[in-house]
Amino acid sequence: NAGVTQTPKFQVLKTGQSMTLQCAQDMNHEYMSWYRQDPGMGLRLIHYSVGAGITDQGEVPNGYNVSRSTTEDFPLRLLSAAPSQTSVYFCASSLYGLNTEAFFGQGTRLTVV
Amino acid sequence: KQEVTQIPAALSVPEGENLVLNCSFTDSAIYNLQWFRQDPGKGLTSLLLIQSSQREQTSGRLNASLDKSSGRSTLYIAASQPGDSATYLCAGATNKLIFGTGTLLAVQP
Repeated sequence: NAGVTQTPKFQVLKTGQSMTLQCAQDMNHEYMSWYRQDPGMGLRLIHYSVGAGITDQGEVPNGYNVSRSTTEDFPLRLLSAAPSQTSVYFCASSLYGLNTEAFFGQGTRLTVV
Repeated sequence: KQEVTQIPAALSVPEGENLVLNCSFTDSAIYNLQWFRQDPGKGLTSLLLIQSSQREQTSGRLNASLDKSSGRSTLYIAASQPGDSATYLCAGATNKLIFGTGTLLAVQP
């Protein structure tokens, strides 16, 4: 079982560059979400989706876009990278939303220089 | 605004000791409380999920309790082992998951 797969694992960007962090799950989960983890601040919700075609903003959405064209995939796009976006990014999924167990990917460590 | 606090921030114990990790939350209207484990450089692994209607959940040497009225959850680890060394995170679910900043556990052989 692959679970939640994130690519890439590591990425270095220059300020102003754009990129897409990929997230895929093979468990037919309806709910998917993106978090960033920063020292001393815990995990913070960026965007989430309750199903294909439906997305919404979380706690820290500025500078990020998402789409959910399929149940399996939930990519996170950085529009114009800034040093403040240096962080570890985690994708998570759960079967029916927050009432069910959340499964996390292994994370993408992003550095913006 | 929901806040989740974990105390202590770090804990070091000798192997074999029983221990308790604490999690407190400000919003009693949570759907559930989840405990996760995070190893260095890795993602989060779900340990236990306690629904708001439940008082506790058990998995092997782990037991988690939930008291919504006092805004507290505890994770009890019995007979700790060096392999239990990791950061333990709790998260309360309202309209989103709100995470605590974790307890870094070191179990000394």
